[in-house]
Amino acid sequence: IQMTQSPSALSTSVGGRVTITCRASQSIHRWLAWYQQKPGRAPKLLIYEASNLEGGVPSRFSGSGSGTEFTLTISSLQPDDFATYHCQQYNAYPWTFGQGTKVEVK
Amino acid sequence: HLQLQASGPGLVKPSETLSLTCIVSGDSISSNYYYWGWIRQPPEKGLEWIGTIYYDGTTYYNPSVKSRLTISVDASKSQFSLRLTSVTAADTAVYFCARHRGGYNELFDSWGQGTLVTVSS
Repeated sequence: IQMTQSPSALSTSVGGRVTITCRASQSIHRWLAWYQQKPGRAPKLLIYEASNLEGGVPSRFSGSGSGTEFTLTISSLQPDDFATYHCQQYNAYPWTFGQGTKVEVK
Repeated sequence: HLQLQASGPGLVKPSETLSLTCIVSGDSISSNYYYWGWIRQPPEKGLEWIGTIYYDGTTYYNPSVKSRLTISVDASKSQFSLRLTSVTAADTAVYFCARHRGGYNELFDSWGQGTLVTVSS
């Protein structure tokens, strides 16, 4: 299953709202996770099953969608949120990731 | 507190074998609920899952590398290992080891820091 994220990169100011889209090449129901990755660091799990926040993740992060289209929203971007975000499907083997979306300072 | 630490040679010659080990601490590698996986990230590119192992030795490999990949586990040492043969420049990447959650949500909930492997003569 191919995962396609858009945009590849975006620039936003602190306090701004960010929306990232992840599209699957076939239905993955709600079996989708989002990860945050900072430069030189390992990815960190943010959201699972499309909309469930992993423990300790701030409530400004939210996820939605089902089937083939999903979104990750950051309601009010904080300085700590500038990073690359990856989606991952786990509906079917082999598990696959999107190419990533880099969120940069405007 | 779970920690995963990947290690291995940072430079491998083309056609040779890449070997990495991940040591798990703070959790039992023999857990019934978790698997243990390898994910890689080529420079400036996205993530690619390459393989996963259960403590009993059951393995799952990405078809893209299946013919060259072996993942093994040594529960007595709380570690699992990756062996990738006949490497090329395309195998140059940061290799991460991670805990692979079982059940319905088969995602990677805890990651090691990653180790860069460069394939070059």
